[in-house]
Amino acid sequence: EAGVAQSPRYKIIEKRQSVAFWCNPISGHATLYWYQQILGQGPKLLIQFQNNGVVDDSQLPKDRFSAERLKGVDSTLKIQPAKLEDSAVYLCASSLDGRAYEQFFGPGTRLTVL
Amino acid sequence: AQKVTQAQTEISVVEKEDVTLDCVYETRDTTYYLFWYKQPPSGELVFLIRRNSFDEQNEISGRYSWNFQKSTSSFNFTITASQVVDSAVYFCALRPNNAGNMLTFGGGTRLMVKP
Repeated sequence: EAGVAQSPRYKIIEKRQSVAFWCNPISGHATLYWYQQILGQGPKLLIQFQNNGVVDDSQLPKDRFSAERLKGVDSTLKIQPAKLEDSAVYLCASSLDGRAYEQFFGPGTRLTVL
Repeated sequence: AQKVTQAQTEISVVEKEDVTLDCVYETRDTTYYLFWYKQPPSGELVFLIRRNSFDEQNEISGRYSWNFQKSTSSFNFTITASQVVDSAVYFCALRPNNAGNMLTFGGGTRLMVKP
């Protein structure tokens, strides 16, 4: 079974630029999550989708971050414009549904903002 | 609000030593789930265990064992006879039963096992 795929694996941009990350969850998984993991910290949930609807985006900085999952499968997370403090690893995870207990994580995208 | 504390930021042991990673949590919910994840240098979080708050039985899986004590709000993880391949960052996480599937992670403990 293929795992959660993410791209790119690494991205370096300058502050005020825009960047987008892509995630393809495990086939059949209805729930998709985006986490931000700052160096030395645990992951923090940014947004949770159930199919193509948003379940929880309370910790998403909506002035600069946006995410979508238009067809209920792949998802993109965008930052526009980026700030230095956005430097982190962005992890995507998926689970069978919102009540499933195990989340499967992708390898992450490491973003460096200069 | 939920909180997970992993007081040990970094632990270094020599191969074959036993090591215990501490996890203390806070929640007002009466039912919840606790998790441990491993994050090797590759970056991918790997699920290790899930524990229901109703079940305080300790669990053993090979060299891994978990001690859940509801009275002290702790869910500690022990690796017996550690190996170099155990070197990773380990995260404890909490999910209250009424919080959808939102996980609250601790800050992680970096374990270094030296040959």
